[in-house]
Amino acid sequence: DIQMTQSPSSLSASVGDRVTITCRASQSISTYLNWYHQKPGKAPNLLIYGASSLQGGVPSRFSGSGSGTDFTLTITSLQPEDFATYYCQQSYMTPPTFGGGTKVEIK
Amino acid sequence: QEQLVQSGAEVKKPGASVKVSCRTSGYTFTSYYIHWVRHAPGRGLEGVGLINPRGGSTNYAPKFQGRVTMTGDTTTSTVYMELSSLRPDDTAVYYCARDRSVGSTSGIFDIWGQGTLVTVSS
Repeated sequence: DIQMTQSPSSLSASVGDRVTITCRASQSISTYLNWYHQKPGKAPNLLIYGASSLQGGVPSRFSGSGSGTDFTLTITSLQPEDFATYYCQQSYMTPPTFGGGTKVEIK
Repeated sequence: QEQLVQSGAEVKKPGASVKVSCRTSGYTFTSYYIHWVRHAPGRGLEGVGLINPRGGSTNYAPKFQGRVTMTGDTTTSTVYMELSSLRPDDTAVYYCARDRSVGSTSGIFDIWGQGTLVTVSS
């Protein structure tokens, strides 16, 4: 299986901050990389697919970049509803695998 | 409105089986693959497998091969995941999730069920 490693595992930030989360794959996955966020007690929600394509209905303050093994999710101007856990996931091959998550907390 | 609604929480003993349902609505059932993903306490998200509701073909993660069975019912637009020989470390929230692509699998999950907690304990 392809291993996905996220960093940091958690971070504290304030409303309005710019936040960057990184994800590394154990082998090249081209741009088959997706980002989700999850709030406690809720299902994950798709934010970005194909490394940089914004899912419909997702605010433009979310953006993704990268290819090969290294990827980044950026949130410009963090909003109160963005405090959640973020996961990357590779869809290059089955089974799909996820990073361990990055918990974004209020500073 | 496109949605997936799952069955309720289950408590099972080690060695038993559990069957979780995922009822779909708001779209053509046979047009989209359905995946199953689980989230165990303190552990990350993990893919269990997928089913093509058109025809019923499946693809299971190697870790679950031999223990998982996914089926679909076109009359009720519902998919099922059955996991057998349950162990305590199967305790998790199990999600069904729709594949974003029409008629194929992209591995991108655009709509999720609300999750079903399966607890395995003696």
